[in-house]
Amino acid sequence: AQSVTQPDIHITVSEGASLELRCNYSYGATPYLFWYVQSPGQGLQLLLKYFSGDTLVQGIKGFEAEFKRSQSSFNLRKPSVHWSDAAEYFCAVGANTNAGKSTFGDGTTLTVKP
Amino acid sequence: DVKVTQSSRYLVKRTGEKVFLECVQDMDHENMFWYRQDPGLGLRLIYFSYDVKMKEKGDIPEGYSVSREKKERFSLILESASTNQTSMYLCASSLVSGPDTIYFGEGSWLTVV
Repeated sequence: AQSVTQPDIHITVSEGASLELRCNYSYGATPYLFWYVQSPGQGLQLLLKYFSGDTLVQGIKGFEAEFKRSQSSFNLRKPSVHWSDAAEYFCAVGANTNAGKSTFGDGTTLTVKP
Repeated sequence: DVKVTQSSRYLVKRTGEKVFLECVQDMDHENMFWYRQDPGLGLRLIYFSYDVKMKEKGDIPEGYSVSREKKERFSLILESASTNQTSMYLCASSLVSGPDTIYFGEGSWLTVV
């Protein structure tokens, strides 16, 4: 069975500082990996996804993520955080059959200090 | 832009009531999904549909049913609401199966008293 762990429930960073959100997955084959962002009271928006190829994936809003098979990780990074990045972030792992059947992590809430 | 609309953002229902949550997408997507989101539990898939009148159970279908009579509309039904179904419900859609981008609605907050 597939599973996703986001070890950090809550992270606080200062505006302008760098950010890394951790995601570890368990999956029997080559995984399809996703990061989503959810602003308060809103649905989820896809930030980026990895299917194959280059292990460093660029997404929207200046985010990137790196797939490391040896560590079963897909960490999300941003070099300089903006106050508008405060939100909840979800990592998901899925099969190639249907992205909607992905398994989602429990989420990491990001707070940005002025 | 793809738009997934959940018509009811906030609902309060009584235990035992039948509840309908409606979702409409405007981009002719094949797949539609209903998730439940609870604090600390992430998103859990309740049901999904890959075509009109076609449905498949997700991870937590108990206590729920769905209806997809038209391609653009996917309804979640709670036949007899219970307090443990108090939650945020998210609808989503994707164009095709496979690792396609999923588009989410803004969610429906349901409180069962």
